Amino acid sequence: QQQVKQSPQSLIVQKGGISIINCAYENTAFDYFPWYQQFPGKGPALLIAIRPDVSEKKEGRFTISFNKSAKQFSLHIMDSQPGDSATYFCAAFTYSSASKIIFGSGTRLSIRP
Amino acid sequence: EPEVTQTPSHQVTQMGQEVILRCVPISNHLYFYWYRQILGQKVEFLVSFYNNEISEKSEIFDDQFSVERPDGSNFTLKIRSTKLEDSAMYFCASSEAYQEAFFGQGTRLTVV
Repeated sequence: QQQVKQSPQSLIVQKGGISIINCAYENTAFDYFPWYQQFPGKGPALLIAIRPDVSEKKEGRFTISFNKSAKQFSLHIMDSQPGDSATYFCAAFTYSSASKIIFGSGTRLSIRP
Repeated sequence: EPEVTQTPSHQVTQMGQEVILRCVPISNHLYFYWYRQILGQKVEFLVSFYNNEISEKSEIFDDQFSVERPDGSNFTLKIRSTKLEDSAMYFCASSEAYQEAFFGQGTRLTVV
């Protein structure tokens, strides 16, 4: 099963709060789990990524938590800022000659000042 | 910083016409991809390209679509006979082996 399921569809967070976006997958053959940030009219930009042998990765205010046994991973944005308002996509990636990125359905995040 | 560049940024075409969308991937990357995003919806995989051939394609990528790497730098997506439902943002991406993919800014295709 190639799907990546993402929730919530939209999220409103007060400035300074924590934004949490969740994803789940079924295919255990995925090798890599990136998160992309997309602003209107722009392409998806890589934000942070994690490999399945790691349970957590932190870069600045952004943290990925990865639960391999549950086949779930989540993005946490600490101290959320209005500039973080964007659509966030989780994704899963396989390394092979048939590599492709499977995207979640996206979460529209709005940070209220 | 190296980036994936796409041209044109916006293409308007008549239904039934052929369009070619162009991409210049990051120079040392080996894997190339096309994705599309219908307004407000998820990013959908179209095709991946490696070692000068298609490595995987989705059910969206039917006989109307083709990809080509005509020289050492360009990677193109051709839609032979456009339909209204082909209107979308088309994103090119590239990656090194076993590394994350980087996306271009996209081409907005409008079929009228």
